[in-house]
Amino acid sequence: DGGITQSPKYLFRKEGQNVTLSCEQNLNHDAMYWYRQDPGQGLRLIYYSQIVNDFQKGDIAEGYSVSREKKESFPLTVTSAQKNPTAFYLCATRDRGGTEAFFGQGTRLTVV
Amino acid sequence: AQSVTQLDSHVSVSEGTPVLLRCNYSSSYSPSLFWYVQHPNKGLQLLLKYTSAATLVKGINGFEAEFKKSETSFHLTKPSAHMSDAAEYFCVVSGVTGGGNKLTFGTGTQLKVEL
Repeated sequence: DGGITQSPKYLFRKEGQNVTLSCEQNLNHDAMYWYRQDPGQGLRLIYYSQIVNDFQKGDIAEGYSVSREKKESFPLTVTSAQKNPTAFYLCATRDRGGTEAFFGQGTRLTVV
Repeated sequence: AQSVTQLDSHVSVSEGTPVLLRCNYSSSYSPSLFWYVQHPNKGLQLLLKYTSAATLVKGINGFEAEFKKSETSFHLTKPSAHMSDAAEYFCVVSGVTGGGNKLTFGTGTQLKVEL
């Protein structure tokens, strides 16, 4: 069953902790993306990767880090430097032809 | 640079009446345009896409959109709303920028369907 798997679906973090959100895909797509969604603001790009072992900052990368050691995986770490991490996080992929993106089901992160 | 403006943050219609969700874009080149739908706490699902072929694009669930270059618009329509259409809709533009082939999202339109 092809697709994008994000885990966990819900995540709670204490102030000052780092947390890692998982994104795995079996679509064999080269490009992977992380977006943050806040009410009324649409989706904002955090990081993206167009190829293994390479990634670029998006529009709101401060306080986040990523790795791309395997084509299938693009984990996002929300560090303690991110001052307002409570949001809905979406992972997406695109193939080499680069038209539409395919999305995972999202992870809702809440700081407690 | 590219940008997308969704002209209405909220739209409310009665079931069985037409739906119009408005989107204007700005792009320095011939863009690809998309409409996505998102139900609460879910990922985004592609409704339809325009990639420089026919200007009237038909999508899933009876939705369609027309690309109008002269008006830089890509409005989403449906002849008859159904309760299951209630969701948030995003207009998206894609094009090559200095940082690669990027997607730019509108801020979304929340569609409410009333009985």
